[in-house]
Amino acid sequence: DAKTTQPPSMDCAEGRAANLPCNHSTISGNEYVYWYRQIHSQGPQYIIHGLKNNETNEMASLIITEDRKSSTLILPHATLRDTAVYYCIVLSYSGGGADGLTFGKGTHLIIQP
Amino acid sequence: GAVVSQHPSRVICKSGTSVKIECRSLDFQATTMFWYRQFPKQSLMLMATSNEGSKATYEQGVEKDKFLINHASLTLSTLTVTSAHPEDSSFYICSAKPPRQGSYGYTFGSGTRLTVV
Repeated sequence: DAKTTQPPSMDCAEGRAANLPCNHSTISGNEYVYWYRQIHSQGPQYIIHGLKNNETNEMASLIITEDRKSSTLILPHATLRDTAVYYCIVLSYSGGGADGLTFGKGTHLIIQP
Repeated sequence: GAVVSQHPSRVICKSGTSVKIECRSLDFQATTMFWYRQFPKQSLMLMATSNEGSKATYEQGVEKDKFLINHASLTLSTLTVTSAHPEDSSFYICSAKPPRQGSYGYTFGSGTRLTVV
């Protein structure tokens, strides 16, 4: 699976949009971009994923560049509860076999009141 | 979306004893489950892949005789930490792979905080 690069930490004011970047320059054509977050002492929570088109759900938007070498997770109106470590992961989904997620260090997003 | 239930959430055990952690998929059948370990201020590390009806596959450096994994049904995988030592104290998290690429990603349990004293 392709490696990802994320800034180690980011601050964002409450109520503003939080934009979290991720570089995945070695992504291959069949690899998806997944975003998860982990609030302290909890299991990771799925946020969103995409292949090449931009995606939006009730939690966030995912913007993937046309060359797919980078993406941005957007939390439109950040709240204090969005403070967490955010992980960007690329993965080629297959029907079977060992393809557990490989977590990097992620971005520690701190929402400031 | 899919729900994975993990129990217990916290456990304290004495050195030398064994501890079992359960991971259940509540509303879907999980052919494949994963077990992770997370030490303080570190990221999640994949320990093993659990496949229903077959032996687990362990990542390099993970002792299969110490971390026993059983995936006897499509909804339950268990991790048993045998002869626990204080260095096994960690946050253990399970995850289930969805049966197909769908509208949700891999689902994680809430984690188990193991403290060995």
